[in-house]
Amino acid sequence: DAKTTQPPSMDCAEGRAANLPCNHSTISGNEYVYWYRQIHSQGPQYIIHGLKNNETNEMASLIITEDRKSSTLILPHATLRDTAVYYCIVRVAADSSYKLIFGSGTRLLVRP
Amino acid sequence: GAVVSQHPSRVICKSGTSVKIECRSLDFQATTMFWYRQFPKKSLMLMATSNEGSKATYEQGVEKDKFLINHASLTLSTLTVTSAHPEDSSFYICSANPGARGGKLFFGSGTQLSVL
Repeated sequence: DAKTTQPPSMDCAEGRAANLPCNHSTISGNEYVYWYRQIHSQGPQYIIHGLKNNETNEMASLIITEDRKSSTLILPHATLRDTAVYYCIVRVAADSSYKLIFGSGTRLLVRP
Repeated sequence: GAVVSQHPSRVICKSGTSVKIECRSLDFQATTMFWYRQFPKKSLMLMATSNEGSKATYEQGVEKDKFLINHASLTLSTLTVTSAHPEDSSFYICSANPGARGGKLFFGSGTQLSVL
């Protein structure tokens, strides 16, 4: 079962920051938070991931609360091409590896 | 960045036939690959974990005799949908783990299966 909950949809204006929230209140201490996005009929694209510290890369920033029960993905200057479904995922241990269990995601619409 | 290639991108077959989907890691070795399926307007559902040199691990409710997984090398995993029926029509996506601790999973571009 997915360990994350996200709002089903959001929208923002082009050029503005998009802040996508995620709740993962049952996360364990060694479980990472991952964000992927999916544009229609394509494979998911990696965005960012983190454990407890905030992270930033060329695509986005990830803010994780101190208790790790929630996080926010920030797209600093959203463009029309950022319209996609965004998935917040908790990576769970599986045998000697791990797996990503997808939740229902947030459909982000960037408006012109 | 790491690339995962999935083939074919689209396949149409008759009911009762079997279809094989390939997933290759192009520039890294993957001891573990994952297979997902996705129905329209739904999220990805993990079907199974493919382990190189050993049997796949299937998620609850996924028929292992229906969805045969073979991971014969460190760069190739295959999913065979046996005796496909219209209800098997779906978008199938694979992903691979380069193995770095705390690292990313890379996804293929998906295979749209349509069973007539």
